[in-house]
Amino acid sequence: NAGVMQNPRHLVRRRGQEARLRCSPMKGHSHVYWYRQLPEEGLKFMVYLQKENIIDESGMPKERFSAEFPKEGPSILRIQQVVRGDSAAYFCASSPWGGRFRDTQYFGPGTRLTVL
Amino acid sequence: AQSVTQPDIHITVSEGASLELRCNYSYGATPYLFWYVQSPGQGLQLLLKYFSGDTLVQGIKGFEAEFKRSQSSFNLRKPSVHWSDAAEYFCAVGGGDDKIIFGKGTRLHILP
Repeated sequence: NAGVMQNPRHLVRRRGQEARLRCSPMKGHSHVYWYRQLPEEGLKFMVYLQKENIIDESGMPKERFSAEFPKEGPSILRIQQVVRGDSAAYFCASSPWGGRFRDTQYFGPGTRLTVL
Repeated sequence: AQSVTQPDIHITVSEGASLELRCNYSYGATPYLFWYVQSPGQGLQLLLKYFSGDTLVQGIKGFEAEFKRSQSSFNLRKPSVHWSDAAEYFCAVGGGDDKIIFGKGTRLHILP
């Protein structure tokens, strides 16, 4: 049973470009969470999605960031017009039943975004 | 507001020595507490979690943690560390608003 998969593992973008980060949850998991980890910081919650629904996006910046989890295919975190401050590691986690902390979340290896 | 403090940014111990990583939290009600480990270039792996019941929680890889309400602490312990335990450790707290707050992490170094 494959774990949570994220790609790409490393992504380099120039300022103003778009970044698309993909997350394939574990088989059978329908709940996905995105976190951002800045250097020397812990993880910060961004958004919680179920299939075709955004449940909680309170941790996501209002501008330039969006997330989706379609019926088919991976979850996508999209960052438009990237700036240097977007450079971070972005982690995806999935869980089978939801309820963000009662249900163990399984983390992917992360995507390290570097904005030049 | 919920918060988590990990006072030690770096900890160095010798292989075979005992380990204690500190975690203090701030939360108005009974918290849900977690410890995660992150190896270099990897995602986070759950070591253990506390929801209720016995305040001494056993986890994977020989780790345990004790919830002390009076001290608002949830320290992680291991009686004898192995070189493979070198990693970054994150304490986290969750609560009624359904959010998980992570500490900034403690990086563990192991001396041979």
